[in-house]
Amino acid sequence: DTAVSQTPKYLVTQMGNDKSIKCEQNLGHDTMYWYKQDSKKFLKIMFSYNNKELIINETVPNRFSPKSPDKAHLNLHINSLELGDSAVYFCASSHAGTGLVTEAFFGQGTRLTVV
Amino acid sequence: GEDVEQSLFLSVREGDSSVINCTYTDSSSTYLYWYKQEPGAGLQLLTYIFSNMDMKQDQRLTVLLNKKDKHLSLRIADTQTGDSAIYFCAERSSGGFKTIFGAGTRLFVKA
Repeated sequence: DTAVSQTPKYLVTQMGNDKSIKCEQNLGHDTMYWYKQDSKKFLKIMFSYNNKELIINETVPNRFSPKSPDKAHLNLHINSLELGDSAVYFCASSHAGTGLVTEAFFGQGTRLTVV
Repeated sequence: GEDVEQSLFLSVREGDSSVINCTYTDSSSTYLYWYKQEPGAGLQLLTYIFSNMDMKQDQRLTVLLNKKDKHLSLRIADTQTGDSAIYFCAERSSGGFKTIFGAGTRLFVKA
């Protein structure tokens, strides 16, 4: 039973295309995230949703649009892909709030290559 | 603002101890984590410590926290080649929605 699953694992696409990455968690968490890991392995948060509500929206081009249809799912849609979007995108989930160990559980990542 | 810093590389011999250091700036950090990332894989939580603790030990792993200096370290005893990976330090404040990650320390273990 995979706790946080992302699809696809690999995505190769041409510049200018629109693509989506899907994420699902079966941990009952109320908060989900998208992180981008660049070629130097730096990990930056992009978005966070808590109970389907957008709560973190870092400085990310508006070509990136997250969508959370329910608490267990957070998808990432990217329009007009550019070469610089090539990276590994990680979905994660956690509990929010006080009194809980709020570690984030990560998916296996989606390696996006824009050619 | 919040920031987490780590050295980027560490090389040790198999059987030695490894010590990975991290500093953070957010004084309201409540939860501090160490994650491990193996090549081609996602991040896996190794251990965590609450800000009201000084030390936590879990088998070969020892976490030390100096809250005054905002310094966190991870000691791996008897380091094995399978410990070669990137180790990320991370912090989160109580009630916060964002986990802030360091840049990761690449641990190389020589046989």
